[in-house]
Amino acid sequence: AQKVTQAQTEISVVEKEDVTLDCVYETRDTTYYLFWYKQPPSGELVFLIRRNSFDEQNEISGRYSWNFQKSTSSFNFTITASQVVDSAVYFCALNSGGSNYKLTFGKGTLLTVNP
Amino acid sequence: GAVVSQHPSRVICKSGTSVKIECRSLDFQATTMFWYRQFPKKSLMLMATSNEGSKATYEQGVEKDKFLINHASLTLSTLTVTSAHPEDSSFYICSASTSGRASDTQYFGPGTRLTVL
Repeated sequence: AQKVTQAQTEISVVEKEDVTLDCVYETRDTTYYLFWYKQPPSGELVFLIRRNSFDEQNEISGRYSWNFQKSTSSFNFTITASQVVDSAVYFCALNSGGSNYKLTFGKGTLLTVNP
Repeated sequence: GAVVSQHPSRVICKSGTSVKIECRSLDFQATTMFWYRQFPKKSLMLMATSNEGSKATYEQGVEKDKFLINHASLTLSTLTVTSAHPEDSSFYICSASTSGRASDTQYFGPGTRLTVL
């Protein structure tokens, strides 16, 4: 069975701090895909990144970076120099054939960035 | 690119009425669309998967006669909540995927907040 665990329910930081959101996943498939989505207060889920299981290279996009480690089944997300606009719920998700091609979401982490 | 719209964004209706929610992929063709429900401060719960031209596949516990899904074209899927009751009040979100494969990114619409009085 697929499972995604986001152990941090809520995180609160002060603007300009760096923050890391944890994501641990479980799957028996050797081919799978990991995603991060951002859900601001408006409600829309915004796609941030997709990573396949064969590509363990870390990725950086502006202030965002992702650390994928198969050895620990983790796909952590770091925001550098956080801003108030980063305040949102962040979801980590997993998709593979083992889940019948359905996204398995974590419970989400509510990030609040205070000025 | 990869824009998905939903209409309406908010709807308030009386108990017993039916409500239709539209989900459109604006700049790509979506063979597969998904309908989710989200309760406050909770994660997304998949309700059903719809493939263009075929019947939707519903998740366990979701009443297919209550939540009617139609995916008539590669850019449009509709969810109709029939005979709505207050317990159907929720945030409904659709997503669209070019093929429904695990490798495909699901792009989400902005959601529809349904309130049933």
